[in-house]
Amino acid sequence: SQTIHQWPATLVQPVGSPLSLECTVEGTSNPNLYWYRQAAGRGLQLLFYSVGIGQISSEVPQNLSASRPQDRQFILSSKKLLLSDSGFYLCAWSVKDQPQHFGDGTRLSIL
Amino acid sequence: AQSVTQLDSQVPVFEEAPVELRCNYSSSVSVYLFWYVQYPNQGLQLLLKYLSGSTLVKGINGFEAEFNKSQTSFHLRKPSVHISDTAEYFCAVSYNQGGKLIFGQGTELSVKP
Repeated sequence: SQTIHQWPATLVQPVGSPLSLECTVEGTSNPNLYWYRQAAGRGLQLLFYSVGIGQISSEVPQNLSASRPQDRQFILSSKKLLLSDSGFYLCAWSVKDQPQHFGDGTRLSIL
Repeated sequence: AQSVTQLDSQVPVFEEAPVELRCNYSSSVSVYLFWYVQYPNQGLQLLLKYLSGSTLVKGINGFEAEFNKSQTSFHLRKPSVHISDTAEYFCAVSYNQGGKLIFGQGTELSVKP
């Protein structure tokens, strides 16, 4: 069966520090991969999605970037974090004709 | 452009009472519809989906939803809720099953004893 792993589960970082969140999927090949952010009291905003290795589409301009170095690995990064980057980050995967499945998320707090 | 509106941000209800969480979408083309549930500090879990066929869709945990094309709605219902149903519920729409999702703002369901 397919599984998705996100880590870390929680992260506290100072303003201006770098960020790297990782997401991996097991049990499937060539999935579509997604990064969402959920701010407190708000819905989910799609940040990036990828349909293959090295293929990244950005949905909103921001301080973050994404990379897909391997088929089932999706990384969310920042060179210098802002206070506004705080939130709950969710990774998701899907394959053709199947709905998206989500990881357990990373709670990011910026101090 | 697609958009999803969840009409209630919070729904308080007593245990064993029925509940309906409302969702409306805007799209000029055929869409796929989904309901997800999010328990505190967790990811989203798929409750049910409408792809085609019967407009009444049954999901997990006793939930069901009805697709109404003329009203562009996809309301979620449960005849009798439990304390454990307390969570945030998200309605979402997509042009294709494996593609990008557009989410509503969420409805916080609070079940009280």
